[in-house]
Amino acid sequence: EVQLVESGGGLVQPGGSLRLSCAASGFTFSSYAMHWVRQAPGKGLEYVSAISSNGGSTYYANSVKGRFTISRDNSKNTLYLQMGSLRAEDMAVYYCARGTCSSTSCPVTSWGQGTLVTVSS
Amino acid sequence: QTVVTQEPSFSVSPGGTVTLTCGLSSGSVSTSYYPSWYQQTPGQAPRTLIYSTNTRSSGVPDRFSGSILGNKAALTITGAQADDESDYYCVLYMGSSLGVFGGGTKLTVL
Repeated sequence: EVQLVESGGGLVQPGGSLRLSCAASGFTFSSYAMHWVRQAPGKGLEYVSAISSNGGSTYYANSVKGRFTISRDNSKNTLYLQMGSLRAEDMAVYYCARGTCSSTSCPVTSWGQGTLVTVSS
Repeated sequence: QTVVTQEPSFSVSPGGTVTLTCGLSSGSVSTSYYPSWYQQTPGQAPRTLIYSTNTRSSGVPDRFSGSILGNKAALTITGAQADDESDYYCVLYMGSSLGVFGGGTKLTVL
């Protein structure tokens, strides 16, 4: 069974940094692209970033480009999202998700339970 | 900038059939966009219902089906049940290598 467990969320001040992690199990992690999707309170789902199976291709939403960095460690079956220069509008539940293939252009089918990031002074 | 459109809200009677759609502000949705559908209830993570137009995710009952109707992707729920009352999101992958979500449809079963 595919399991995705996010961690690292919490309260951070505007301008601060945070690193989210997503521990994966139940599948061959190195074979699948991985994604970060967020949901602000009371709002819809928004794609944040995606990374190909070997880490060679990464993509970002315009809203986070230059501030967030996605990465993965296939030896540790873990996905990361390094978030910097955090703003109030980054406050959201962040979901880790697995795609259906090695490319980021394949749809997501498995989701973690999410981790809450609160940006406030 | 391309916008993915969904009905903001919809209602269906128990046992009835409802079709939710997913379109583009400009152009038509095709299977090459791998339209996918997710169900979400408040406080819960999204659940994948349909991916790549019409492939049902594991464990999803066959009363959920996906298709292309005209120039939009569609999610049809037949025999609606009370616990189908949820938010439904579609996503399209349009070659930018980052999917684009629609704004979601709030489905009421009453």
